[in-house]
Amino acid sequence: ETGVTQSPTHLIKTRGQQVTLRCSSQSGHNTVSWYQQALGQGPQFIFQYYREEENGRGNFPPRFSGLQFPNYSSELNVNALELDDSALYLCASSWTSGYSYEQYFGPGTRLTVT
Amino acid sequence: EDQVTQSPEALRLQEGESSSLNCSYTVSGLRGLFWYRQDPGKGPEFLFTLYSAGEEKEKERLKATLTKKESFLHITAPKPEDSATYLCAASISGNTPLVFGKGTRLSVIA
Repeated sequence: ETGVTQSPTHLIKTRGQQVTLRCSSQSGHNTVSWYQQALGQGPQFIFQYYREEENGRGNFPPRFSGLQFPNYSSELNVNALELDDSALYLCASSWTSGYSYEQYFGPGTRLTVT
Repeated sequence: EDQVTQSPEALRLQEGESSSLNCSYTVSGLRGLFWYRQDPGKGPEFLFTLYSAGEEKEKERLKATLTKKESFLHITAPKPEDSATYLCAASISGNTPLVFGKGTRLSVIA
């Protein structure tokens, strides 16, 4: 069974630029959630995708957008980067059905905005 | 507003010194309470899910319990390799996003 993978591992961008982060969900999972984790804080929910459609969104501006592909992999796009966007971006996959709600996280992408 | 609060923020233990981490939650209709372990710079690693008050789960030196207002993660005879940040998260329905606490940073000294 393949776990959740994310790429790239680290990324350095300049304020105002755009960035795309990628996530491959765990085998058999159909839902992907993205979280932002600032240093010393718990992860904050950005949005979730189920069957290629956005299925919920946290308190993040529209410049944060995403996609889910037919193979359930996903992208997180951030436009007009700001210094406060520097964080660890986490992708979590899960199976939407039944009683089990566990979300399994990838290793994260560390984004630094200068 | 749904909220998860963890205490203490940081905990330093001697090897073998048992203790408990607390997670209190204020959510409208808890469907699941999750515990994760996170090592520095890495993604959270799933430990336990608890679904109803009175439920307990164990894994090696860790035991998680759940009441109607809070959850505890008990660490028995910890070892230095148990050093990590332990995150608690709540789900209010189905596959909805998790609401996380800020975590407890545990250090176990040999």
